[in-house]
Amino acid sequence: GENVEQHPSTLSVQEGDSAVIKCTYSDSASNYFPWYKQELGKRPQLIIDIRSNVGEKKDQRIAVTLNKTAKHFSLHITETQPEDSAVYFCAASGLGGGADGLTFGKGTHLIIQP
Amino acid sequence: DAGITQSPRYKITETGRQVTLMCHQTWSHSYMFWYRQDLGHGLRLIYYSAAADITDKGEVPDGYVVSRSKTENFPLTLESATRSQTSVYFCATSRNTGELFFGEGSRLTVL
Repeated sequence: GENVEQHPSTLSVQEGDSAVIKCTYSDSASNYFPWYKQELGKRPQLIIDIRSNVGEKKDQRIAVTLNKTAKHFSLHITETQPEDSAVYFCAASGLGGGADGLTFGKGTHLIIQP
Repeated sequence: DAGITQSPRYKITETGRQVTLMCHQTWSHSYMFWYRQDLGHGLRLIYYSAAADITDKGEVPDGYVVSRSKTENFPLTLESATRSQTSVYFCATSRNTGELFFGEGSRLTVL
């Protein structure tokens, strides 16, 4: 089955700086790569996603890049703000294209230092 | 519109007892999932369902049972709870676009 590795497990950045979280996946058939944000005590919520026919996608201060050849994708957050502090999870769709669920990385705890 | 609701939100039980976590959705999404979340492990898939009466095992199914007699409900049962099943359980739905919509979670403690 699919295996997703995520790094780093903890990332501390100064407010206003950029943050980058990286993930690799194992199944070359995976075609959907979402990122979820989970605030303390809350449910995970989708913040951005990318499909395998696209190399980059942006939404205001966040962007995701995908390198299918290398089987890795990254989340970029620019001009970080205190409300960006949370745990971020990457995921990949696996063989079922999402019908059999997503495989998640273990998460990155992003800390924004004032 | 409640979307997806889980109950109970918090549960304390003892080893060996049966526990059922409920999940109800109002969106009529075909796909439903149960994940458990543990520190250091992220979110791991327990069971999923593509439609009523169709269920499949995920990554960590041992010790759990599911059913889906109606599209809107997907209960998860721990037939004989163990301490290792102490966790936060998330139910999720999907329209098969890949995006998952999560419930608020059920925090289960097994003593």
